[in-house]
Amino acid sequence: EVQLVESGGGLVQPGRSLRLSCTASGFTFGDYAMSWFRQAPGKGLEWVGFIRSKAYGGTTEYAASVKGRFTISRDDSKSIAYLQMNSLKTEDTAVYYCTRAPQRVFFDYWGQGTLVTVSS
Amino acid sequence: QSALTQPASVSGSPGQSITISCTGTSSDVGGYNYVSWYQHHPGKAPKLMIYDVSKRPSGVSNRFSGSKSGNTASLTISGLQAEDEADYYCSSYTSSSTPFGTGTKVTVL
Repeated sequence: EVQLVESGGGLVQPGRSLRLSCTASGFTFGDYAMSWFRQAPGKGLEWVGFIRSKAYGGTTEYAASVKGRFTISRDDSKSIAYLQMNSLKTEDTAVYYCTRAPQRVFFDYWGQGTLVTVSS
Repeated sequence: QSALTQPASVSGSPGQSITISCTGTSSDVGGYNYVSWYQHHPGKAPKLMIYDVSKRPSGVSNRFSGSKSGNTASLTISGLQAEDEADYYCSSYTSSSTPFGTGTKVTVL
């Protein structure tokens, strides 16, 4: 059974950093691209970014709203994807979801999410 | 990249069919056959319901179907059931991003 478990969320002050982890199981992690999404309170889902598998160069893409501040990485030996968030803003407050992405065209498994609150 | 436009809410009685629209542009929905749909019960993990416009993942009920015409994609739920009450989001591929729809709350009356 495919499982994705996000961790690392919490309360952080504006301007600070936070790193989220997504621990995967039930599939060969290294064979898949992974993506992060978020949902701000009362808002819809927003794509944050994407990392390809090593077979496709392990390259990343980001939404304009986070480009230059957020970085996605992966450790295939541990089956973990990371979302490093720097220079956090109050508008980054959201539940963050990790997803498996067979391609960047759809996302077939999602975690339960982890809440990030940016507030002073 | 602007969000795709969905109706805020759609409702129907059990057993009825409803359709949710997702309107984009020729740069997203109209430009690629890569529209997907997600069901989201609040507090739970979103679930992929449709991909590549009209394909259903294994395990998804055949009561869910997808289609596209021009810049507008649609999700139809037939034989509406109480468990279908949830938020639904569309998404499309583009060369530079992955826009999502504004979301539609489906209410089963």
